[in-house]
Amino acid sequence: AQSVTQLDSQVPVFEEAPVELRCNYSSSVSVYLFWYVQYPNQGLQLLLKYLSGSTLVKGINGFEAEFNKSQTSFHLRKPSVHISDTAEYFCAVSDRTGRRALTFGSGTRLQVQP
Amino acid sequence: EAQVTQNPRYLITVTGKKLTVTCSQNMNHEYMSWYRQDPGLGLRQIYYSMNVEVTDKGDVPEGYKVSRKEKRNFPLILESPSPNQTSLYFCASSPNPSSGGAGFGRYTDTQYFGPGTRLTVL
Repeated sequence: AQSVTQLDSQVPVFEEAPVELRCNYSSSVSVYLFWYVQYPNQGLQLLLKYLSGSTLVKGINGFEAEFNKSQTSFHLRKPSVHISDTAEYFCAVSDRTGRRALTFGSGTRLQVQP
Repeated sequence: EAQVTQNPRYLITVTGKKLTVTCSQNMNHEYMSWYRQDPGLGLRQIYYSMNVEVTDKGDVPEGYKVSRKEKRNFPLILESPSPNQTSLYFCASSPNPSSGGAGFGRYTDTQYFGPGTRLTVL
């Protein structure tokens, strides 16, 4: 079984400032890692994912994340945020089995202020 | 446009009145899945389907049924809804690893989500 912990439920930040959203996971097997974004009243959109290879993953909208196996973390970063980045961000893991169930964290609400 | 659609988007109903939430995808994906989203809990998988006529339970299947008679459709059925099923529901789809013809190199494991259905059971 897997679990995902997003350490911050809300992150307020000023526009053009850098931001890091933290994600730690627990699993007894190898996993795939994902970050999804949910804009108000919309479904989930994939930001980026780590399947294998380079531990630094670049995604859409200028976001990137780094997989750290020893710390079982997959933190999301952006060097300069925009008002339009205000949304809820979900970290998720998939256990690579046929069930392909995504185990999600509880989400982090990013609030970008002018 | 490649997409996953859900209907209805919003539904208010009463305890015990059977309802169906439809999900349809136009990407020829084999894999489909239902999740529910509750505050502070993230998303939890209800049921999934690896292909037509192949379905299985996820983490929270109690009170739900699904069917997969066609590749594109994966309806979620609540035979006797209860207030604890008030939630935001998402359908998702994804190609299976064996499809695509190029092995692991084509396996992206990306799941595409529908816009969500907000269900309230009174």
